[in-house]
Amino acid sequence: QQQVKQSPQSLIVQKGGIPIINCAYENTAFDYFPWYQQFPGKGPALLIAIRPDVSEKKEGRFTISFNKSAKQFSLHIMDSQPGDSATYFCAAGGTGRRALTFGSGTRLQVQP
Amino acid sequence: EAGVAQSPRYKIIEKRQSVAFWCNPISGHATLYWYQQILGQGPKLLIQFQNNGVVDDSQLPKDRFSAERLKGVDSTLKIQPAKLEDSAVYLCASEDMEDTQYFGPGTRLTVL
Repeated sequence: QQQVKQSPQSLIVQKGGIPIINCAYENTAFDYFPWYQQFPGKGPALLIAIRPDVSEKKEGRFTISFNKSAKQFSLHIMDSQPGDSATYFCAAGGTGRRALTFGSGTRLQVQP
Repeated sequence: EAGVAQSPRYKIIEKRQSVAFWCNPISGHATLYWYQQILGQGPKLLIQFQNNGVVDDSQLPKDRFSAERLKGVDSTLKIQPAKLEDSAVYLCASEDMEDTQYFGPGTRLTVL
């Protein structure tokens, strides 16, 4: 019940394309859903996060869509750039200092 | 604002040896996490501290792993004795008041 399932495992898009990464969770106690970006040799860095009181959140070229009834959320990257090539992790957690449960990651490659 | 500091960045040991990792969180962050990230997977929680008290160590292999956070600031994670399957990146994260976790660069451990 603590799992977060992420897909696809890897993704290749052309520059300007819109990669979409999907995640699903089971634990209805989760109420905080961040996305992290990780470059090789670096720690994960927060990209954008959403709470279940909204269905969509945009920050720059990054958008989270959230479907509470389906227990699914996704990351869309608009106008993707080669510099966006990284591994992306979805995660789920709760308020009150609960640790994050991470998905398995999606390795994104944006070709020039 | 300085980020989360970790040392060493890399460590190579032989199985059955001991090893220790150090973390200095962002100033003022009361909550600190240690995660284990095996190659190709998402980070997995090992232990969570609130100030110098343990909040969650349910996934810490206590027969070989130990961690402490003296004075509620710096933290150390120790493995003794190490096994081959402990080869991973060990990530430290500290959390602000809005549930955002900030990760350090990690320590890459190789057990031969």
